[in-house]
Amino acid sequence: AQRVTQPEKLLSVFKGAPVELKCNYSYSGSPELFWYVQYSRQRLQLLLRHISRESIKGFTADLNKGETSFHLKKPFAQEEDSAMYYCALRGSQGNLIFGKGTKLSVKP
Amino acid sequence: DTGVSQNPRHKITKRGQNVTFRCDPISEHNRLYWYRQTLGQGPEFLTYFQNEAQLEKSRLLSDRFSAERPKGSFSTLEIQRTEQGDSAMYLCASSLTTSGIYEQYFGPGTRLTVT
Repeated sequence: AQRVTQPEKLLSVFKGAPVELKCNYSYSGSPELFWYVQYSRQRLQLLLRHISRESIKGFTADLNKGETSFHLKKPFAQEEDSAMYYCALRGSQGNLIFGKGTKLSVKP
Repeated sequence: DTGVSQNPRHKITKRGQNVTFRCDPISEHNRLYWYRQTLGQGPEFLTYFQNEAQLEKSRLLSDRFSAERPKGSFSTLEIQRTEQGDSAMYLCASSLTTSGIYEQYFGPGTRLTVT
C-alpha cells in the first residue's frame, strides 16, 4: 500500500532552534517525494522535492530508502516558518498521497 | 495568470441539496486533480483529468460525486444529495506534464458546509 506517515501533529520550537519534521513512507518501487507547506490563510504550495536535492528557505530533506524516510530539516528556525507542513508521495497516476501534516509553531 | 482559481470559496447547503464547484487551472496545464481535505487530515485524491479525459474515477467517494472537464480547460465537481459527511475543503490542482516536472499547483479550495 502507498502511504505517508507524519507522526507529529504539532511541533513547537523556539526561534533559532533546529527543526526536524518527520515523514515515513510506504511504496513499492522508486518513490518520488515532496514537502508542501501551507502558511496561514494561504494555499498549499510546494516547498521542495527530493529529486531536486535543493534547499528552499533553509530547509532540506534527504530521501533515505533504507529507513523509508524523507524528514524535513532546518538548522535555525524562524518565526515565519510557522505553518502546516505536509509530506507527499507521488502515486501511480501522478496524484499526490499526503500525510496528515505537522503544524510547526516557532516561538519568539 | 494568477494561478489556479476555485469558485465559490465557501458554500453552505442543506442536506439533500446538490452543489457544484468550479476549478479554473493555470492556462495550458493539461492535468487537473481534485482532492478533498477534512479536518486534521491531508488532502485525499478524488479524481483527475488529462486534458478533457477523466482517467481515474474509482477514488470518487460515492456515485453521488461526479466531475467533468468538458473542453480540457475548467472543471466542475458536483455532489448530489449532499450529506453532512460531505462537509470538507475541496481542492483543485493543475500541472503541466510535458514539462517533466509534474509540480502540482493548488487552488485556494472551496469549503463546503452541509447543515
